[in-house]
Amino acid sequence: DVKVTQSSRYLVKRTGEKVFLECVQDMDHENMFWYRQDPGLGLRLIYFSYDVKMKEKGDIPEGYSVSREKKERFSLILESASTNQTSMYLCASSTSQGLYQPQHFGDGTRLSIL
Amino acid sequence: AQKITQTQPGMFVQEKEAVTLDCTYDTSDPSYGLFWYKQPSSGEMIFLIYQGSYDQQNATEGRYSLNFQKARKSANLVISASQLGDSAMYFCAQGSNYKLTFGKGTLLTVNP
Repeated sequence: DVKVTQSSRYLVKRTGEKVFLECVQDMDHENMFWYRQDPGLGLRLIYFSYDVKMKEKGDIPEGYSVSREKKERFSLILESASTNQTSMYLCASSTSQGLYQPQHFGDGTRLSIL
Repeated sequence: AQKITQTQPGMFVQEKEAVTLDCTYDTSDPSYGLFWYKQPSSGEMIFLIYQGSYDQQNATEGRYSLNFQKARKSANLVISASQLGDSAMYFCAQGSNYKLTFGKGTLLTVNP
């Protein structure tokens, strides 16, 4: 089974802090994704990566950056956290082999910015 | 741009009955996949089932089936013999080029 592990289930940080959310997958997947989920808005893509050191902006990249130095690890960085970044953050991975490959998700990180 | 519409914010079903969750999509891509995910209150997103746009037969996976009508651009999820553990948010998603666009979800409540 695919295992996507996010470093924290719950995280509380202060406004202005630099925040790191870590995600690791164990299936040698090429693609990795970061989403945020807010009530009534569904899942929105922040960034994704289709290879090591490669990244692409999603729908809402403002205020975020990412890092992918190793294939199995994809980090989301909040450069200067703000209260409107309080949200549920979900990491996912998928393979590029074949069509219609599902994304597999981690358990999510509930981030609160005070 | 892709758009996914789930018109039912909430649905109720009696235990052991079948339920259909609606999903329509809008894309100009010639080839794409359609996916359903379940999100219990604990928060994790669980992949349930997928359908390729060129697949001739509707996908099935245990109690889940996907009613795919390409001309109508609909991909409804059917859950047969509902169980209490099926109570969750359900998200429809459409994918092309390894990116997914999600609907806003339907909250399913299964009553005993």
